[in-house]
Formats: sequence, C-alpha cells, structure tokens
Amino acid sequence: DIQMTQSPSTLSASVGDRVTITCRASQSISSWLAWYQQKPGKAPKLLIHKASSLESGVPSRFSGSGSGTEFTLTITSLQPDDFATYYCQQYNSYSRTFGQGTKVEIK
Amino acid sequence: EVQLVESGGGLVQPGGSLRLSCAVSGFTFSSYSMNWVRQAPGKGLEWVSYISSSSSTTYYADSVKGRFTISRDNAKNSLYLQMNSLRAEDTAVYYCARDTAVVAVDYWGQGTLVTVSS
Repeated sequence: DIQMTQSPSTLSASVGDRVTITCRASQSISSWLAWYQQKPGKAPKLLIHKASSLESGVPSRFSGSGSGTEFTLTITSLQPDDFATYYCQQYNSYSRTFGQGTKVEIK
Repeated sequence: EVQLVESGGGLVQPGGSLRLSCAVSGFTFSSYSMNWVRQAPGKGLEWVSYISSSSSTTYYADSVKGRFTISRDNAKNSLYLQMNSLRAEDTAVYYCARDTAVVAVDYWGQGTLVTVSS
C-alpha cells in the first residue's frame, strides 16, 4: 500500500501567518492527492482535489501544489476559522490512504 | 442536497459483530464508488474499505482484511459494513463517504460510533 507522510504533526501559528503543510507519498501518485480540513466533532471537508484544484466555496487563501511524491498545502494569511486539523489523502490506488494529519494551533 | 446518514453503531464486546448501514440521498447512488473511513478517539483518519459502483471491486485496509465486508444495495441506496471478530482497536467513529475517481472523497456522513469493550 502507498504510505502518506505529513509534516509537521502540529503547527503553531498566528492569525495572518502563512502556513505550509507537506505531504509525501511512498511512491508516485501523479496528481491524485486531496486535502481535507477537519474540526472537532465534525466530518472532514474536502478543500483541494487533484493536488491543486480548489473546491467550490473554499477561500482562495488555500492552495495546493506538487506532483509525484511531494505535495504542499499553503494557507496564506491564516484566519481564525482555519484552526483545525488537515489531512492529505492519495487516491491513485483503491486503498485511499491518509496522512496522519497536521493540527494547526493558535500560537 | 447530497446526504449520507450512517447507523448501526453501538457498544459491542470483543469478538462480536456489528453491521453498519449508510443511507444516501441527493445523488445517483449507483453511479458512485463508496468508502468507509474511521477515526479512533483522538486519532487521525484511517481509510477502511472501498467498493465500486457495481460492487465488482472491493478493497480493504490490512487492519480489517478478513474481518470486515463492504457491500451495497443500489436499489435501496444503501451502503453496508459487516464487521466481525471486533477488537478494542476497532473502536472509532465510522464514516461513509462518496468517492469519485477525479475529485476523491467529496461527501461524508456524520459518522456512527462503534465501541468495542467488555
């Protein structure tokens, strides 16, 4: 199975900061990568699919990039609503594995 | 409006069985693959199982292979997860989620809690 590794596990940041989360795949997944945001007690929300395609309604401060094995999620100018846990997920194979998550905390 | 509603969770003893259901509405169920994803208390998301739109293809995480069975009834717009030989480490919120080949997992249910404990 394809393994997904996210870093960092936790990130402390302030409102207005630029934040970058990295996700690495154990083998090439082309651009078949999605990013999700999850808040406590809620189901995950899809933010980005195919590595860089922003979902409708998601603020433009979110962006994704990368291909092959290395991907990033960037949040420019972090807002109070963005403090949450973020997950990457590969869907190159039927085993839709997730990264372990990155919790974005208030500094 | 797309809706996915899980049911069937609860408390079960180790070694026991449980069947989860997911009722969907708001889209053509028979056209979409589906997944089960779980989240143990305080932990991250773990993909559990995938089923294609026609049920011809199924996949499982190694952690549940041989114990869990995914199935669907397109006439009833329903997805199922039969869970046997349950272990304490299967304790989690279980989500059903719609899958697309291009967009990934785009809609999720609210989850149902499974607790495996004596």
